[in-house]
Amino acid sequence: NAGVTQTPKFRILKIGQSMTLQCAQDMNHNYMYWYRQDPGMGLKLIYYSVGAGITDKGEVPNGYNVSRSTTEDFPLRLELAAPSQTSVYFCASSSTGHRVSGANVLTFGAGSRLTVL
Amino acid sequence: AQSVSQHNHHVILSEAASLELGCNYSYGGTVNLFWYVQYPGQHLQLLLKYFSGDPLVKGIKGFEAEFIKSKFSFNLRKPSVQWSDTAEYFCAVFMNRDDKIIFGKGTRLHILP
Repeated sequence: NAGVTQTPKFRILKIGQSMTLQCAQDMNHNYMYWYRQDPGMGLKLIYYSVGAGITDKGEVPNGYNVSRSTTEDFPLRLELAAPSQTSVYFCASSSTGHRVSGANVLTFGAGSRLTVL
Repeated sequence: AQSVSQHNHHVILSEAASLELGCNYSYGGTVNLFWYVQYPGQHLQLLLKYFSGDPLVKGIKGFEAEFIKSKFSFNLRKPSVQWSDTAEYFCAVFMNRDDKIIFGKGTRLHILP
């Protein structure tokens, strides 16, 4: 099982450039999330999706966009990269069902380390 | 505003010491509660979870946590830590009405051999 696959693992961007972080899962999970992890700040939720065609803003959505055209894929787009977006980005997915054992347990990707110079 | 607070940012203990890491959340609805662990160089993995029923839940590697609803708390405990427990620990809350999972800032645990 591949689980959650993120690409690229590392990327350096110049200020103002755009890029897309790819995320794919093969577990048929409805829920998918993008987090950024900064030292001492924990994980901050950027965007999340409860199913294909549905996305919602998290705690820190500014400067990012997402789409969810299929159950499997949840790409994160940075339109105009800024140094404040230097971070490690994690994609995660989970199954639904608020009272089902195993539901809402996140499976994480390996992370994408992004540096904006 | 919805939030998850972890009281200790950095904890240093000697092996065999007892551990308790605090976690509080602010949310009025139904929640599912989690503790995740991130070992050096690895990504997050589940340590334990609470969905319903017995508020004292046991996880892997001898960890346990107690959900106290009246205090909006979900503290993590381990009676005797080992050097291999050195890691960063994150409390997370699934907020039922909003369908999202929010994390605390994490506690970096360092165990001295």
